[in-house]
Amino acid sequence: GAVVSQHPSRVICKSGTSVKIECRSLDFQATTMFWYRQFPKQSLMLMATSNEGSKATYEQGVEKDKFLINHASLTLSTLTVTSAHPEDSSFYICSARGSGDAYNEQFFGPGTRLTVL
Amino acid sequence: AQSVSQHNHHVILSEAASLELGCNYSYGGTVNLFWYVQYPGQHLQLLLKYFSGDPLVKGIKGFEAEFIKSKFSFNLRKPSVQWSDTAEYFCAVMLTGGFKTIFGAGTRLFVKA
Repeated sequence: GAVVSQHPSRVICKSGTSVKIECRSLDFQATTMFWYRQFPKQSLMLMATSNEGSKATYEQGVEKDKFLINHASLTLSTLTVTSAHPEDSSFYICSARGSGDAYNEQFFGPGTRLTVL
Repeated sequence: AQSVSQHNHHVILSEAASLELGCNYSYGGTVNLFWYVQYPGQHLQLLLKYFSGDPLVKGIKGFEAEFIKSKFSFNLRKPSVQWSDTAEYFCAVMLTGGFKTIFGAGTRLFVKA
């Protein structure tokens, strides 16, 4: 089945530093990937939609200069949290839109827990 | 604005009880509907989905959901829950065209053994 991985699974960084999170579709090509943020005991909030080879589309209220998204290949999208602050601490989840018969489905990665000190 | 409402934030049931979790959405166009489950410490897994056809869909682990278009609802049901169903359940609506998916706030289900 379609598998999506994320790396790292957990990261702790100092305030002011940048952190990169990778999202990979392991056994399929994903023209579209999505980045979500999940606060404790809350739902997933869509941050941006990432299309391979083009600029990401950000949701209202999401700072595109703070959350840099790159989707350079059909199997990899990266989210870079720049100049991270404690309020950026959260659980970041990516998903990839399937291909073929699974075109209308999303497959989720296991998430990355970011803690900014 | 599009939204997804899950009526119950926390549900506590005893084993063998029946379950129904409500989900309503606000969007006038065509949608694809999903229920996901997130077990403690694990990532989201698809329970079931509705794209078209029979509005009663069956998923994994004995779950089913019924799409009622006139009510913009997609309620999740299971006739007899088990302790292992303890998890958080998310209803999600994919807007066709842009494929943007909106999630409900989630329902935490705790099943007492």
